[in-house]
Amino acid sequence: GQNIDQPTEMTATEGAIVQINCTYQTSGFNGLFWYQQHAGEAPTFLSYNVLDGLEEKGRFSSFLSRSKGYSYLLLKELQMKDSASYLCAVRGEEADSWGKFQFGAGTQVVVTP
Amino acid sequence: DTEVTQTPKHLVMGMTNKKSLKCEQHMGHRAMYWYKQKAKKPPELMFVYSYEKLSINESVPSRFSPECPNSSLLNLHLHALQPEDSALYLCASSQEPPGSNYEQYFGPGTRLTVT
Repeated sequence: GQNIDQPTEMTATEGAIVQINCTYQTSGFNGLFWYQQHAGEAPTFLSYNVLDGLEEKGRFSSFLSRSKGYSYLLLKELQMKDSASYLCAVRGEEADSWGKFQFGAGTQVVVTP
Repeated sequence: DTEVTQTPKHLVMGMTNKKSLKCEQHMGHRAMYWYKQKAKKPPELMFVYSYEKLSINESVPSRFSPECPNSSLLNLHLHALQPEDSALYLCASSQEPPGSNYEQYFGPGTRLTVT
């Protein structure tokens, strides 16, 4: 099974930086994903880490440490439209669980003017 | 085309009704998924299809019956649902491993209300 933890809510001002942490305990691991979900809408893919290190994509960066079971999503130059829930998800490794994306509860980011 | 479509967008059904949710993708993905999401909760995996065969069933009650008629279509047949089954039902697709990119593409969802 998998246990994925992330903070419930974070608030930051427009233009600032916010770091959302995610810790996981899994019996198998084949990648960690970050998704953004606006209220009432479907999740949209932000980033994917399978090796240790930092992946950068414009204003968003994601970091992974497999030995620590830890990832973070960094959002820079926050904009009001970044107010959303950010979901950390881990994919299983075993042949019968590769399709199992288990999601954390999500971190609601509130961007204030 | 990186779109997953779902119909209907909204569905209200009684506990004795039979209805179906539909999902379609034309990205050539051979893995398709059904998720259930309650308000302010993360998506919960229900079923995974790989090459049109059911590969994962997360102990979902039999009143939910998935079907994958071909590589582009995924259905979820609903029968004798309970009010607690009211939720947003999300369909997703992804490449089959060992593809280099495992990301899932989600459809907009069907908001289901059981009365």
